[in-house]
Amino acid sequence: SQQGEEDPQALSIQEGENATMNCSYKTSINNLQWYRQNSGRGLVHLILIRSNEREKHSGRLRVTLDTSKKSSSLLITASRAADTASYFCATDNNAGNMLTFGGGTRLMVKP
Amino acid sequence: DTGVSQDPRHKITKRGQNVTFRCDPISEHNRLYWYRQTLGQGPEFLTYFQNEAQLEKSRLLSDRFSAERPKGSFSTLEIQRTEQGDSAMYLCASSLDGPVYEQYFGPGTRLTVT
Repeated sequence: SQQGEEDPQALSIQEGENATMNCSYKTSINNLQWYRQNSGRGLVHLILIRSNEREKHSGRLRVTLDTSKKSSSLLITASRAADTASYFCATDNNAGNMLTFGGGTRLMVKP
Repeated sequence: DTGVSQDPRHKITKRGQNVTFRCDPISEHNRLYWYRQTLGQGPEFLTYFQNEAQLEKSRLLSDRFSAERPKGSFSTLEIQRTEQGDSAMYLCASSLDGPVYEQYFGPGTRLTVT
């Protein structure tokens, strides 16, 4: 079963706009990770945020984590057409040996 | 490129046949994971190795599935008597040991059972 649920399921924006994706999960976590997947390809790791962290930045990416609400958000600023992909949040099971993924947000950035 | 590699990238087989996939992890990673992803869904965990020991298996891994990691290096995933429901992308990932290391994924093997 999938622990995380991403919202929205699909998002279409113009190049240059910001894109925000949300993830909710059900059980306590050790860390939460965001991955990107281009159509039909493997997953690329974007960012990891630990359960004791509230915000993390990496380039144009900003991730927040609210453990009291069991939710996280991924913000992509100044989007580019190359950001078009599916984005997944994944939580670990506190033992660090498996990830539980959500259903993903399909992002389309129009040039 | 020293990333995770998987072979083959695509496999088409007839129902009832056996198939085997291979994964070569990043060389210094002692953890290796298998996931399955169906169209429009996120990956689902199948099994995980710490070196050569298979430490956890999902209930998704029916008795037709078997995974090995001899010598703690590459891993194989075999599906016996394939069914149409086995059609999916099979993803392999590897990571360093510990609770807070990111998993690095391979390109996947897309299985189509006809």
